[in-house]
Amino acid sequence: GNSVTQMEGPVTLSEEAFLTINCTYTATGYPSLFWYVQYPGEGLQLLLKATKADDKGSNKGFEATYRKETTSFHLEKGSVQVSDSAVYFCALRGDYGGSQGNLIFGKGTKLSVKP
Amino acid sequence: DSGVTQTPKHLITATGQRVTLRCSPRSGDLSVYWYQQSLDQGLQFLIQYYNGEERAKGNILERFSAQQFPDLHSELNLSSLELGDSALYFCASSVELRGEQFFGPGTRLTVL
Repeated sequence: GNSVTQMEGPVTLSEEAFLTINCTYTATGYPSLFWYVQYPGEGLQLLLKATKADDKGSNKGFEATYRKETTSFHLEKGSVQVSDSAVYFCALRGDYGGSQGNLIFGKGTKLSVKP
Repeated sequence: DSGVTQTPKHLITATGQRVTLRCSPRSGDLSVYWYQQSLDQGLQFLIQYYNGEERAKGNILERFSAQQFPDLHSELNLSSLELGDSALYFCASSVELRGEQFFGPGTRLTVL
């Protein structure tokens, strides 16, 4: 079945450091891929998405490229800020006939950014 | 603010009890999804409704049930509660069957 594996946290970085959070997936067909962010005490917010191979999703300085050959969708940011401290979830949505659109999530990676 | 509302925000109850969680989707959204977030299982899909009809089921226990009403709000009913049911329950909504999902703030359930 479909699944998502993302790097275990927590990840602690200094402000302005480079961030990479790895995400790989297993899926039937050609899923859509997402990164969601969860700030303390809040629900999930969509950070970025990519719907086909080689697409690059980007938002607020974060980027991720849909790599079909390596079944990966790694999240990157060139210079993190304290305000980026949150839990990040990689997710996929099966976009084939039998799928009704529910999301399958990785276990989440907690990021802490120190000033 | 995503436009999805969930009530109550917190719920504390005892084992064996029954609770109802409520979700109001964004205006115009026809699809509602329920997810459970727990420390050991992570974020798991429970069930999806579209325009009042059940469309997909995930890892939902038989003790749990849900429905979507004509005004499109949805309720998740959890019965014979166990300690392990303590979790954050999220509702999400989307315009169409496989559309972008917008999440509510969640209901934190604590079973004592």
